[in-house]
Amino acid sequence: EAGVAQSPRYKIIEKRQSVAFWCNPISGHATLYWYQQILGQGPKLLIQFQNNGVVDDSQLPKDRFSAERLKGVDSTLKIQPAKLEDSAVYLCASSLGSAGWSAGTQYFGPGTRLLVL
Amino acid sequence: EDKVVQSPLSLVVHEGDTVTLNCSYEVTNFRSLLWYKQEKKAPTFLFMLTSSGIEKKSGRLSSILDKKELFSILNITATQTGDSAIYLCAYTGTASKLTFGTGTRLQVTL
Repeated sequence: EAGVAQSPRYKIIEKRQSVAFWCNPISGHATLYWYQQILGQGPKLLIQFQNNGVVDDSQLPKDRFSAERLKGVDSTLKIQPAKLEDSAVYLCASSLGSAGWSAGTQYFGPGTRLLVL
Repeated sequence: EDKVVQSPLSLVVHEGDTVTLNCSYEVTNFRSLLWYKQEKKAPTFLFMLTSSGIEKKSGRLSSILDKKELFSILNITATQTGDSAIYLCAYTGTASKLTFGTGTRLQVTL
């Protein structure tokens, strides 16, 4: 079974530029998550989708971050404009459902390491 | 405020040692506690615990949850260099999202 795919793996941009990350979840997984992991910290949830609807985006900095999951499969996360403090690893995860046992077993992609100069 | 605290922050052991990693939590509506191993980028799932006192075991790794004292431990016996990683503890509440601790960085030396 193919895992969660993410691209690009690395990205270096200058502050105030824009950047986009792509995620393809495990086939059949209804729930998709984007996490931000700053060096030395645990991952922090940015946004959660159930199919193509947003379940939780309470920690997404909406003035600069946006995400969509058209057709309930692939997802993109965009930052515009980027700030120095956005340097982090952006992890995408998916799970079969959003309730009960299946909700907890999230499977993570390899992540995208973003460096903002 | 809900939180997860892991200890120690980092640990260096010799191959063959046994280690115990700690995770304490304060959560308003607790559903489950999870352990992940993060070697390079992607955290990989180890255990999910929902009931107190029931040990989960996978090879040399085991974990148990104490819902009364609000903590969990992850044990690794006969450590190997391949166990070197960051071990993340996370909880789920009423929502399915994971809230992570800062992790314990384990280094196993020869």
